[in-house]
This record gives sequence, C-alpha cells and structure tokens, in this order.
Amino acid sequence: AQSVTQPDIHITVSEGASLELRCNYSYGATPYLFWYVQSPGQGLQLLLKYFSGDTLVQGIKGFEAEFKRSQSSFNLRKPSVHWSDAAEYFCAVGAGRLTGGGNKLTFGTGTQLKVEL
Amino acid sequence: DSGVTQTPKHLITATGQRVTLRCSPRSGDLSVYWYQQSLDQGLQFLIHYYNGEERAKGNILERFSAQQFPDLHSELNLSSLELGDSALYFCASSARDGTDTQYFGPGTRLTVL
Repeated sequence: AQSVTQPDIHITVSEGASLELRCNYSYGATPYLFWYVQSPGQGLQLLLKYFSGDTLVQGIKGFEAEFKRSQSSFNLRKPSVHWSDAAEYFCAVGAGRLTGGGNKLTFGTGTQLKVEL
Repeated sequence: DSGVTQTPKHLITATGQRVTLRCSPRSGDLSVYWYQQSLDQGLQFLIHYYNGEERAKGNILERFSAQQFPDLHSELNLSSLELGDSALYFCASSARDGTDTQYFGPGTRLTVL
C-alpha cells in the first residue's frame, strides 16, 4: 500500500526567505506525485505534479519540486516566500503508473506554513 | 477555480439525520472521487466513480453511499449521522488521460450537532 509522510506539521518562515517542505513516500514502483495547497476555508489547489522524465518539476505560483528516487522524496521548494503563500500544503501519491491512471490519491498529513512579515 | 462545483457549501444538521452532498465534475471528466477531511483522520479517500460505475472504495462507512448519474454529477448520501461525521467533504474529478491528476471542488462543510 502506498503512504506519504510529511514530517513537518508547522513551518514558519520570513517573507522573502526560501522554503522547503519535505515529503517522503512509500510505494513499490515509481508513483505519480502531487503537491496541493489549501488556503483557509478553501478547496485543494494543484500546485504541481510528477509523472516521469525530468525530476525537477515546475508548478504554479513559483513553486518547484524535485523527485529523488533514492531518497523516496518529493520536496517542495520556493526561492522567495510571499505572505500570500501562508496555507496548508499537502503531498499526495497516486498509483497510476501500474494501472494507467484513475486511482485514488493518498495524502500526507499536511504542513501548515506561516509567513512572518 | 478548478471547474468542479459542490453544493451546498455548508450544512448543519442533527444526529440521526440524513443529508445529500452534490458534486458536478469538470466538463468532460468521467471520474468523480469523494474524500473526507477531518482533524483526526486527515484527508481520506471514500469512493471513486467512473462514468456511472463504482470503481473503488476506501474507508467509507456503511451508512454512507454514493452514486454517479448519467449527466456525470455525483451525490454522496450520509445517513444516521453522528457527531464524528462532522468534516469537510471534497469531491474531485479527473480526465481520462492515464494519470491520477485530480481537480478538487471547494468542499462541503458538514456540521452534525
């Protein structure tokens, strides 16, 4: 069974500082990987996704993530955080590679990001 | 805006009651997924429908059921409600593109008193 671990429950960074949110997954093959962001009272917005190919993927709002197979990680990064980035971030894994898509997503517990002005 | 719509946005009801949550997927998407988000359980997959057929079940209680209609909208029915059913319920839809990319609606916040 697939699983996702987000070891940091809360992270606080200063506006303009760089950010890295950690995500480790457990899956028997190379999974499909996703990062979503949830603002208070809002739904989940897709930030970026990895399926194959280049291990560094670019997303919306200036975010990027790097897939590292050897570390089973898919960490999210942003070079300069803005106050509007304060939200909860979820890493998710899908099993689609084996079945051609159409699978549930398994989510981590989320990391709450606070941005200090 | 993901293109996925959910109604109602908020729902307050009493224990023992039954409610229906509605979801309309993005135009052209055949798959609808339901998830529950609660403080103690996090985001949990409930059920997946594809073009009207149930494809997968997750941690969905027997008191809960869902269906997807010919126009592809989906409804999640929750019955004999308990205090612990209070949560945010999301639906998501995905395209038939060989990936698991899912687009989420804004959610329905259910409060059981």
